[in-house]
Amino acid sequence: DAGITQSPRHKVTETGTPVTLRCHQTENHRYMYWYRQDPGHGLRLIHYSYGVKDTDKGEVSDGYSVSRSKTEDFLLTLESATSSQTSVYFCASRDRDYGYTFGSGTRLTVV
Amino acid sequence: GENVEQHPSTLSVQEGDSAVIKCTYSDSASNYFPWYKQELGKGPQLIIDIRSNVGEKKDQRIAVTLNKTAKHFSLHITETQPEDSAVYFCAASIGSQGNLIFGKGTKLSVKP
Repeated sequence: DAGITQSPRHKVTETGTPVTLRCHQTENHRYMYWYRQDPGHGLRLIHYSYGVKDTDKGEVSDGYSVSRSKTEDFLLTLESATSSQTSVYFCASRDRDYGYTFGSGTRLTVV
Repeated sequence: GENVEQHPSTLSVQEGDSAVIKCTYSDSASNYFPWYKQELGKGPQLIIDIRSNVGEKKDQRIAVTLNKTAKHFSLHITETQPEDSAVYFCAASIGSQGNLIFGKGTKLSVKP
């Protein structure tokens, strides 16, 4: 989607290694989100940010941390990847009164 | 906690027929209800949304209806086309930050 990019698009990593996924937006949106998508579960919120250095937990935050040092960047870190974190990760951003704009996703495989 | 239920999980229709997807939500304070379409290998894209002060909204072949009393809302697609085949997600806003909670999705297949 124009204005929001995720990197990498695909990643394979080993159990126990740290992994960082990056989300970059050029819309100057205040809010940013990380979701994971798994079959049968839809989109589940991991963490979100409501401003620079302001973050909060979502419903499935265990094992994940985030950082937002600039408006445009929101990083998701898996401190020690586990097989249960194999998933497709989506970043989204929004302004105060509008719907989310999603990135194209990162497919993460933990082996 | 807050929850959004979406039905059906799969829906198959013939080209030209109508498709209806229904969602219910639990938080009576929810005031924003978007619908997203996700094509294979892509991120969800907003296709239509409705706010709590409106009962119905249309955009060409797509319409959304909202019943706040019953806490449910629906997506209606008329004259379906093969390119409408995708996974559709409903969502409802929760909390003071306006974050969204999503339904589990409906896989729509339109057969030519």
